[in-house]
Amino acid sequence: AQSVTQLDSHVSVSEGTPVLLRCNYSSSYSPSLFWYVQHPNKGLQLLLKYTSAATLVKGINGFEAEFKKSETSFHLTKPSAHMSDAAEYFCVVIPMNTGFQKLVFGTGTRLLVSP
Amino acid sequence: SAVISQKPSRDICQRGTSLTIQCQVDSQVTMMFWYRQQPGQSLTLIATANQGSEATYESGFVIDKFPISRPNLTFSTLTVSNMSPEDSSIYLCSAGTGTNYGYTFGSGTRLTVV
Repeated sequence: AQSVTQLDSHVSVSEGTPVLLRCNYSSSYSPSLFWYVQHPNKGLQLLLKYTSAATLVKGINGFEAEFKKSETSFHLTKPSAHMSDAAEYFCVVIPMNTGFQKLVFGTGTRLLVSP
Repeated sequence: SAVISQKPSRDICQRGTSLTIQCQVDSQVTMMFWYRQQPGQSLTLIATANQGSEATYESGFVIDKFPISRPNLTFSTLTVSNMSPEDSSIYLCSAGTGTNYGYTFGSGTRLTVV
């Protein structure tokens, strides 16, 4: 079955330091991959998406992710964390063999940013 | 991308009652989905809302418990029926026109069953 694994349930960084949120996917087909962010008591917001174009994807708020097929990874990075980045982040895959294009969510990574 | 208005944003309900959640999209979309997010958990797909036909439910979810309507390409409802405290969760709808555009989410309905 197609899935995503978020390797860290919590990541803690200091403001101004780099952010790395790790995601590995499992798919027999070329997948579409997304990162979503959920701030407390808010809905989900799309950060960025990979849909078989450029492997380095730039998103909103300075985030970017690189699709690495050889490593089956799609890690999310940001050069310098802001306090406002504290939130829950979800890696999401759409396996391209599913007719209904269903999103499969990872378990989420909570990013904590300290002053 | 589409913008979704979801309501109610939160509700506290008595066990045994039902609650209907509405999602209105500001443009026609191909796909609409309903998710449940239990406290501290990730999102689990309940069903795909099909326009003009019965919804497609995921394993563990049934139509009698979670009836869904989608009368047109911009609107859908999810009803949580005969509620119990175990149904306390955040329910979210999602809509989109395909993988190249991503999917937009509503702001969620925080349901507490007492």
